[in-house]
Amino acid sequence: QLQLQESGPGLVQPSGTLSLTCSVSGGSVTYNNYCWAWIRRPPEKGLEWIGAMCDTGKTYYSSTLKSRLIMSADTSNKLFFLNLYSVTAADTAVYYCAPYSKSEGWFDPWGQGTPVTVSS
Amino acid sequence: DIQMTQSPSSVSASIGDRVTITCRASQNIDNLLMWYQQRPGKAPSLLIYGASNLQSGVPPRFSGSRSGTDFTLTISSLQPEDSATYYCQQAIIFPTTFGQGTRLEIK
Repeated sequence: QLQLQESGPGLVQPSGTLSLTCSVSGGSVTYNNYCWAWIRRPPEKGLEWIGAMCDTGKTYYSSTLKSRLIMSADTSNKLFFLNLYSVTAADTAVYYCAPYSKSEGWFDPWGQGTPVTVSS
Repeated sequence: DIQMTQSPSSVSASIGDRVTITCRASQNIDNLLMWYQQRPGKAPSLLIYGASNLQSGVPPRFSGSRSGTDFTLTISSLQPEDSATYYCQQAIIFPTTFGQGTRLEIK
């Protein structure tokens, strides 16, 4: 059964870089018609899609974050990475990774999430 | 981007009540609408896909329906474990977008 685990620093200084890792186990990361996505939930707000790396080799970024965002992967080790630069308090959130089925349109399953606070 | 508008933003109901949550898309999304449940401190989990199909393992008291660009999640008889925030998500256009969430509280 596919399982995902996010990890990160917990606390990031304003104007610094947020670096997160998503580790996948129990299945392949090279399924056809799948993307690997990052999603976040800021405090007292709803879910926000951040970006995704897809089986086609294309990477998609949120239009509001793309100037500060780079996603990458080490598929041989089933790892996905997120780097968000020049962070502010508005980037404080719980960050999730999840596979996205392009044929069905769903995210399933989700990792447990890793909380990130941007503060000095 | 397609806007997904959920209502209400929060609802309080009693055990055994019928609860309805609505999600309206800003344009046609066919049946490409998912519902997720997020219990406090937990990750979101898929409840319904394709507007009305129950994910495996989801209790049958949950159901989904569509009328044009309006989508409805219904819980027929509320149970204590249904206390959660519920989100809709459109999948007709990538990048996808979520509704802002509906917090369901048990009285």
